[in-house]
Amino acid sequence: EADIYQTPRYLVIGTGKKITLECSQTMGHDKMYWYQQDPGMELHLIHYSYGVNSTEKGDLSSESTVSRIRTEHFPLTLESARPSHTSQYLCASSGGVGETEAFFGQGTRLTVV
Amino acid sequence: SQKIEQNSEALNIQEGKTATLTCNYTNYSPAYLQWYRQDPGRGPVFLLLIRENEKEKRKERLKVTFDTTLKQSLFHITASQPADSATYLCALEGDYKLSFGAGTTVTVRA
Repeated sequence: EADIYQTPRYLVIGTGKKITLECSQTMGHDKMYWYQQDPGMELHLIHYSYGVNSTEKGDLSSESTVSRIRTEHFPLTLESARPSHTSQYLCASSGGVGETEAFFGQGTRLTVV
Repeated sequence: SQKIEQNSEALNIQEGKTATLTCNYTNYSPAYLQWYRQDPGRGPVFLLLIRENEKEKRKERLKVTFDTTLKQSLFHITASQPADSATYLCALEGDYKLSFGAGTTVTVRA
């Protein structure tokens, strides 16, 4: 069982609101990732981090921002939510000693109305 | 730019047959390649990793091959079962980024 947690699981919020999606892992992994995925569509990497105080943009441009102040925590923030941000957001981590596979959280399904 | 391509058409097969999925990549020099399974509404789950110096890897009914000259990996599900119905993704890491192909959806008919 992977020890990576995302909250909330579901979020319905009004346009213009600021939101933060939480992601925490207890495996001590250095690498963490945020992906965006619409139903039936492919996973798009939007942010990643290879350690504390490192954050990089992924393959898909996103208006969200991330921070990595602690190894275990990688929150994603949208300053002003819009209906176009409606999607599923998946957090993952990897990089344990001798391990390379990524472990995913349960995801947050965001709906902006 | 780096690309990961999987056969986009869904695969429908009869129970007991072998499903073969393809993953091609460009502008990567991977030390390894990974395969994941994703069920609807859930995050991907790791299945297998194959390293650049390995030609073939097996795990139960799964088999993966890796040809770094062709820049291709093949993923086989042998003796398929309805429970194998899912989307299968290949993944590569480059410059700390872990990127996925679009996935191939497999449906196994009983």
